[in-house]
Amino acid sequence: GAGVSQSPRYKVAKRGQDVALRCDPISGHVSLFWYQQALGQGPEFLTYFQNEAQLDKSGLPSDRFFAERPEGSVSTLKIQRTQQEDSAVYLCASRGFRQGTGGDYEQYFGPGTRLTVT
Amino acid sequence: TQLLEQSPQFLSIQEGENLTVYCNSSSVFSSLQWYRQEPGEGPVLLVTVVTGGEVKKLKRLTFQFGDARKDSSLHITAAQPGDTGLYLCAGKSNTGNQFYFGTGTSLTVIP
Repeated sequence: GAGVSQSPRYKVAKRGQDVALRCDPISGHVSLFWYQQALGQGPEFLTYFQNEAQLDKSGLPSDRFFAERPEGSVSTLKIQRTQQEDSAVYLCASRGFRQGTGGDYEQYFGPGTRLTVT
Repeated sequence: TQLLEQSPQFLSIQEGENLTVYCNSSSVFSSLQWYRQEPGEGPVLLVTVVTGGEVKKLKRLTFQFGDARKDSSLHITAAQPGDTGLYLCAGKSNTGNQFYFGTGTSLTVIP
Protein backbone atom coordinates (compact mmCIF):
# COMPACT_ATOMS: atom_id res chain seq x y z
CA GLY A 1 0.00 0.00 0.00
CA ALA A 2 3.00 2.30 -0.34
CA GLY A 3 2.57 5.62 -2.08
CA VAL A 4 4.97 7.40 -4.38
CA SER A 5 8.40 7.74 -2.84
CA GLN A 6 11.22 10.04 -3.84
CA SER A 7 14.86 10.14 -2.86
CA PRO A 8 16.75 11.94 -1.66
CA ARG A 9 14.31 14.22 0.16
CA TYR A 10 16.91 16.99 0.28
CA LYS A 11 19.90 17.59 -1.93
CA VAL A 12 22.47 20.35 -1.76
CA ALA A 13 24.68 20.64 -4.80
CA LYS A 14 27.44 23.03 -5.71
CA ARG A 15 26.94 24.91 -8.94
CA GLY A 16 28.22 22.80 -11.80
CA GLN A 17 27.62 19.43 -10.15
CA ASP A 18 25.39 16.77 -11.65
CA VAL A 19 22.46 15.42 -9.61
CA ALA A 20 20.12 12.45 -9.96
CA LEU A 21 16.69 12.39 -8.37
CA ARG A 22 14.80 9.13 -8.01
CA CYS A 23 11.08 8.39 -8.11
CA ASP A 24 9.43 5.10 -7.13
CA PRO A 25 5.83 5.24 -8.38
CA ILE A 26 2.89 3.26 -7.11
CA SER A 27 3.14 -0.30 -8.36
CA GLY A 28 1.15 -0.82 -11.52
CA HIS A 29 0.76 2.83 -12.42
CA VAL A 30 1.49 3.29 -16.09
CA SER A 31 1.76 7.08 -16.16
CA LEU A 32 4.51 9.04 -14.44
CA PHE A 33 5.02 12.79 -14.35
CA TRP A 34 7.82 15.07 -13.17
CA TYR A 35 7.12 18.63 -12.01
CA GLN A 36 9.24 21.52 -10.77
CA GLN A 37 7.82 23.66 -7.98
CA ALA A 38 9.22 26.99 -6.84
CA LEU A 39 8.53 28.12 -3.30
CA GLY A 40 4.88 29.13 -2.84
CA GLN A 41 4.04 28.48 -6.48
CA GLY A 42 2.17 25.76 -8.31
CA PRO A 43 4.06 22.84 -9.87
CA GLU A 44 5.21 23.26 -13.45
CA PHE A 45 5.16 20.28 -15.78
CA LEU A 46 8.52 18.90 -16.88
CA THR A 47 7.94 15.55 -18.55
CA TYR A 48 5.57 12.58 -18.85
CA PHE A 49 6.12 8.84 -19.28
CA GLN A 50 3.73 6.11 -20.25
CA ASN A 51 5.46 2.92 -19.20
CA GLU A 52 9.04 3.33 -20.43
CA ALA A 53 8.16 5.72 -23.24
CA GLN A 54 8.77 9.41 -22.69
CA LEU A 55 5.77 10.85 -24.52
CA ASP A 56 6.16 14.50 -23.62
CA LYS A 57 9.29 16.36 -22.54
CA SER A 58 8.17 19.79 -23.59
CA GLY A 59 8.51 21.20 -20.07
CA LEU A 60 12.18 20.40 -19.57
CA PRO A 61 13.81 23.84 -19.24
CA SER A 62 17.08 23.03 -20.97
CA ASP A 63 19.16 20.22 -22.40
CA ARG A 64 20.82 19.91 -19.00
CA PHE A 65 17.66 18.14 -17.81
CA PHE A 66 17.19 14.50 -18.69
CA ALA A 67 14.67 11.93 -17.47
CA GLU A 68 14.44 8.20 -17.95
CA ARG A 69 12.25 5.27 -16.95
CA PRO A 70 14.00 2.32 -18.56
CA GLU A 71 11.83 -0.50 -17.20
CA GLY A 72 8.57 1.36 -16.91
CA SER A 73 8.65 1.65 -13.13
CA VAL A 74 11.35 3.65 -11.32
CA SER A 75 12.24 6.96 -12.94
CA THR A 76 15.28 9.18 -12.59
CA LEU A 77 15.50 12.90 -13.30
CA LYS A 78 19.05 13.98 -13.96
CA ILE A 79 20.26 17.56 -13.99
CA GLN A 80 23.71 18.19 -15.39
CA ARG A 81 25.92 21.15 -14.51
CA THR A 82 23.41 22.49 -11.98
CA GLN A 83 22.74 26.23 -11.82
CA GLN A 84 21.28 28.31 -9.01
CA GLU A 85 18.03 28.74 -10.93
CA ASP A 86 17.56 24.96 -10.73
CA SER A 87 16.90 25.28 -6.99
CA ALA A 88 13.34 24.09 -6.43
CA VAL A 89 11.27 21.15 -5.24
CA TYR A 90 11.04 18.39 -7.82
CA LEU A 91 7.81 16.43 -7.57
CA CYS A 92 7.06 13.08 -9.10
CA ALA A 93 3.51 11.81 -9.60
CA SER A 94 2.10 8.53 -10.85
CA ARG A 95 -1.41 8.18 -12.08
CA GLY A 96 -4.13 5.61 -11.54
CA PHE A 97 -7.90 5.49 -11.28
CA ARG A 98 -9.53 6.56 -8.04
CA GLN A 99 -13.25 6.44 -7.42
CA GLY A 100 -14.99 9.11 -5.43
CA THR A 101 -13.17 12.16 -6.67
CA GLY A 102 -15.00 12.53 -9.98
CA GLY A 103 -13.97 9.42 -11.81
CA ASP A 104 -10.89 10.88 -13.36
CA TYR A 105 -7.48 9.37 -13.12
CA GLU A 106 -5.84 10.78 -10.02
CA GLN A 107 -2.24 11.85 -9.83
CA TYR A 108 -0.60 10.61 -6.64
CA PHE A 109 2.31 12.81 -5.71
CA GLY A 110 5.46 11.95 -3.87
CA PRO A 111 6.80 14.24 -1.12
CA GLY A 112 9.31 15.81 -3.50
CA THR A 113 13.04 16.38 -3.50
CA ARG A 114 14.16 19.83 -2.41
CA LEU A 115 17.22 20.76 -4.46
CA THR A 116 19.38 23.66 -3.35
CA VAL A 117 22.21 24.74 -5.63
CA THR A 118 24.85 26.85 -3.91
CA THR B 1 4.61 30.26 -17.50
CA GLN B 2 1.40 29.10 -15.83
CA LEU B 3 -1.87 29.16 -17.72
CA LEU B 4 -4.06 29.28 -14.64
CA GLU B 5 -4.11 32.32 -12.39
CA GLN B 6 -5.36 31.95 -8.85
CA SER B 7 -6.59 34.68 -6.56
CA PRO B 8 -5.98 35.66 -3.94
CA GLN B 9 -2.36 34.55 -3.71
CA PHE B 10 -2.42 34.74 0.11
CA LEU B 11 -5.34 34.59 2.48
CA SER B 12 -5.36 34.77 6.26
CA ILE B 13 -8.69 34.44 8.02
CA GLN B 14 -10.15 33.66 11.42
CA GLU B 15 -11.60 30.27 12.24
CA GLY B 16 -15.28 30.13 11.33
CA GLU B 17 -15.11 32.57 8.42
CA ASN B 18 -16.03 31.72 4.84
CA LEU B 19 -13.73 32.17 1.86
CA THR B 20 -13.60 31.73 -1.90
CA VAL B 21 -10.57 31.00 -4.05
CA TYR B 22 -10.68 31.67 -7.79
CA CYS B 23 -8.90 29.93 -10.64
CA ASN B 24 -9.00 31.66 -14.03
CA SER B 25 -7.64 31.00 -17.49
CA SER B 26 -8.18 31.99 -21.08
CA SER B 27 -7.79 28.34 -22.07
CA VAL B 28 -10.43 25.63 -22.13
CA PHE B 29 -9.73 22.46 -20.17
CA SER B 30 -11.26 19.02 -20.48
CA SER B 31 -11.35 18.74 -16.70
CA LEU B 32 -10.12 20.65 -13.70
CA GLN B 33 -8.82 19.42 -10.39
CA TRP B 34 -8.29 21.03 -7.00
CA TYR B 35 -5.45 19.96 -4.71
CA ARG B 36 -4.30 20.87 -1.23
CA GLN B 37 -0.62 20.79 -0.37
CA GLU B 38 0.97 20.95 3.06
CA PRO B 39 4.61 21.96 3.67
CA GLY B 40 7.07 19.21 2.81
CA GLU B 41 4.47 17.08 1.08
CA GLY B 42 3.11 16.61 -2.40
CA PRO B 43 -0.32 17.91 -3.46
CA VAL B 44 -3.31 15.74 -2.55
CA LEU B 45 -6.34 15.63 -4.83
CA LEU B 46 -9.58 17.03 -3.42
CA VAL B 47 -11.93 16.84 -6.40
CA THR B 48 -12.22 16.65 -10.17
CA VAL B 49 -14.83 18.58 -12.14
CA VAL B 50 -15.53 17.69 -15.74
CA THR B 51 -18.73 19.30 -16.99
CA GLY B 52 -19.15 23.03 -17.57
CA GLY B 53 -21.32 24.50 -14.83
CA GLU B 54 -20.76 21.51 -12.56
CA VAL B 55 -20.92 22.04 -8.81
CA LYS B 56 -19.50 19.51 -6.34
CA LYS B 57 -19.66 19.57 -2.58
CA LEU B 58 -17.22 17.86 -0.26
CA LYS B 59 -18.33 18.51 3.32
CA ARG B 60 -17.57 22.23 3.87
CA LEU B 61 -15.93 22.65 0.46
CA THR B 62 -17.90 23.61 -2.66
CA PHE B 63 -16.26 23.46 -6.08
CA GLN B 64 -17.65 25.01 -9.25
CA PHE B 65 -16.49 24.65 -12.85
CA GLY B 66 -17.31 27.56 -15.14
CA ASP B 67 -19.78 27.10 -17.97
CA ALA B 68 -17.04 27.60 -20.55
CA ARG B 69 -14.64 25.28 -18.70
CA LYS B 70 -12.06 28.05 -18.38
CA ASP B 71 -12.40 28.89 -14.72
CA SER B 72 -13.30 27.43 -11.36
CA SER B 73 -13.87 28.40 -7.76
CA LEU B 74 -13.45 26.78 -4.38
CA HIS B 75 -15.63 27.98 -1.51
CA ILE B 76 -14.91 26.93 2.07
CA THR B 77 -17.59 27.40 4.72
CA ALA B 78 -16.69 27.86 8.37
CA ALA B 79 -12.95 27.47 7.86
CA GLN B 80 -10.98 25.48 10.40
CA PRO B 81 -7.26 25.54 11.24
CA GLY B 82 -6.93 22.14 9.58
CA ASP B 83 -7.84 23.79 6.27
CA THR B 84 -4.53 25.66 6.31
CA GLY B 85 -2.41 24.86 3.27
CA LEU B 86 -1.60 25.70 -0.33
CA TYR B 87 -4.61 25.23 -2.60
CA LEU B 88 -3.88 24.46 -6.23
CA CYS B 89 -6.12 24.16 -9.25
CA ALA B 90 -4.95 22.11 -12.23
CA GLY B 91 -6.48 21.97 -15.69
CA LYS B 92 -6.10 18.96 -17.95
CA SER B 93 -4.99 19.70 -21.47
CA ASN B 94 -7.50 19.04 -24.23
CA THR B 95 -4.78 17.62 -26.42
CA GLY B 96 -2.75 15.42 -24.13
CA ASN B 97 -2.16 14.04 -20.69
CA GLN B 98 -0.53 17.14 -19.29
CA PHE B 99 -1.94 19.01 -16.31
CA TYR B 100 -1.34 22.74 -15.95
CA PHE B 101 -1.24 23.92 -12.37
CA GLY B 102 -2.38 27.29 -11.10
CA THR B 103 -0.21 29.78 -9.26
CA GLY B 104 -1.53 28.63 -5.88
CA THR B 105 -3.40 30.20 -2.96
CA SER B 106 -1.79 30.00 0.45
CA LEU B 107 -4.50 29.82 3.12
CA THR B 108 -3.91 30.33 6.82
CA VAL B 109 -6.80 29.81 9.23
CA ILE B 110 -6.12 31.37 12.62
CA PRO B 111 -7.67 29.62 15.64
